[in-house]
Amino acid sequence: NAGVTQTPKFRVLKTGQSMTLLCAQDMNHEYMYWYRQDPGMGLRLIHYSVGEGTTAKGEVPDGYNVSRLKKQNFLLGLESAAPSQTSVYFCASSYQIGTYNEQFFGPGTRLTVL
Amino acid sequence: GQSLEQPSEVTAVEGAIVQINCTYQTSGFYGLSWYQQHDGGAPTFLSYNALDGLEETGRFSSFLSRSDSYGYLLLQELQMKDSASYFCAPNAGNNRKLIWGLGTSLAVNP
Repeated sequence: NAGVTQTPKFRVLKTGQSMTLLCAQDMNHEYMYWYRQDPGMGLRLIHYSVGEGTTAKGEVPDGYNVSRLKKQNFLLGLESAAPSQTSVYFCASSYQIGTYNEQFFGPGTRLTVL
Repeated sequence: GQSLEQPSEVTAVEGAIVQINCTYQTSGFYGLSWYQQHDGGAPTFLSYNALDGLEETGRFSSFLSRSDSYGYLLLQELQMKDSASYFCAPNAGNNRKLIWGLGTSLAVNP
């Protein structure tokens, strides 16, 4: 099993350009999450999904859109990139047994917006 | 509101024991998770406490007191590879979202 994979690993954009980050998981998890992490900071939730076809906003959703057309994939889109979106983006997935929520993370995408 | 407090930095020597405390305030609470993150890496799950008490996993143990809104991670027989950031993350129950703070940076010195 590959676990959680993210594409691409690195990307440099110019202000105003658009891009899509792809997250894929092969663990049949219902829940998927997109986080961003800035230097010396914790994780901030951008958007999340509780199942195929559903998405919801996290704490910092502005400037991002997401889609979950297939259970195994969760896409994060930046329509018009800004330097403030320079960050490391992590995707995670999880399953539920009672209150147990172990999140499995991908390796991250390091995005620089010039 | 919601809040989360952990020490920002902890330093220890190889072979020692270190305790990282976490106090939280959430509107709902289902349990407390701990994650480890090495520089340049992704967070990885260490432990989860849903009930009061101590959970032991090898050299690591995690404790929870729901009545005190408090938990800690205990790392024993410290090794250099334990140098990393450690995050406590309450599960506040709202669609299984975790609350993330700034974490604790642990430096293990020879």
